[in-house]
Amino acid sequence: GAVVSQHPSWVICKSGTSVKIECRSLDFQATTMFWYRQFPKQSLMLMATSNEGSKATYEQGVEKDKFLINHASLTLSTLTVTSAHPEDSSFYICSPSTGSLITYEQYFGPGTRLTVT
Amino acid sequence: KNEVEQSPQNLTAQEGEFITINCSYSVGISALHWLQQHPGGGIVSLFMLSSGKKKHGRLIATINIQEKHSSLHITASHPRDSAVYICASIQGAQKLVFGQGTRLTINP
Repeated sequence: GAVVSQHPSWVICKSGTSVKIECRSLDFQATTMFWYRQFPKQSLMLMATSNEGSKATYEQGVEKDKFLINHASLTLSTLTVTSAHPEDSSFYICSPSTGSLITYEQYFGPGTRLTVT
Repeated sequence: KNEVEQSPQNLTAQEGEFITINCSYSVGISALHWLQQHPGGGIVSLFMLSSGKKKHGRLIATINIQEKHSSLHITASHPRDSAVYICASIQGAQKLVFGQGTRLTINP
């Protein structure tokens, strides 16, 4: 299967600081990147969808100025949590896709656990 | 109300037992994923199916499009199967809608 990496795997930061999470698809080109958030004992929630070279599309209730997504290349996407608050503490998962979810398998990064103190 | 419902939410069984996890969805879909999430958080796609049945090792997934229902079966369960199993419907070409997950624990 495809290899997807996320960095860092976990991070602790102070309230008010910004954190950047990187997601790399190591052996395929991701034209589309999905970013998910997962709170403890809950399922994944889609935050935003981005296509390479385009602005991300955010789900309702997700602040685009707070969660900055950059998808500058087919192998790298970043999610920056700006001015983090304790309520942003969560597990963030990227999911790169080569195209339609119908035609292609779904791959997931290993996730980044963010704790904001 | 979540568009994708799983049952049971928690399941504990003894090693060797036959396991069934159910998934129902309320709207028409293109296909459905079964995912496995281990305690560390990593997610693996087990199956993607749009009709019928698929088998991989001890895992079997079935889907009935008319009844809007899918099942994941594990034969001869093993403690290493302990994980959260998530079904996710594919609506349109891009959007995944996730069930709330089933936490499976297999005791030796």
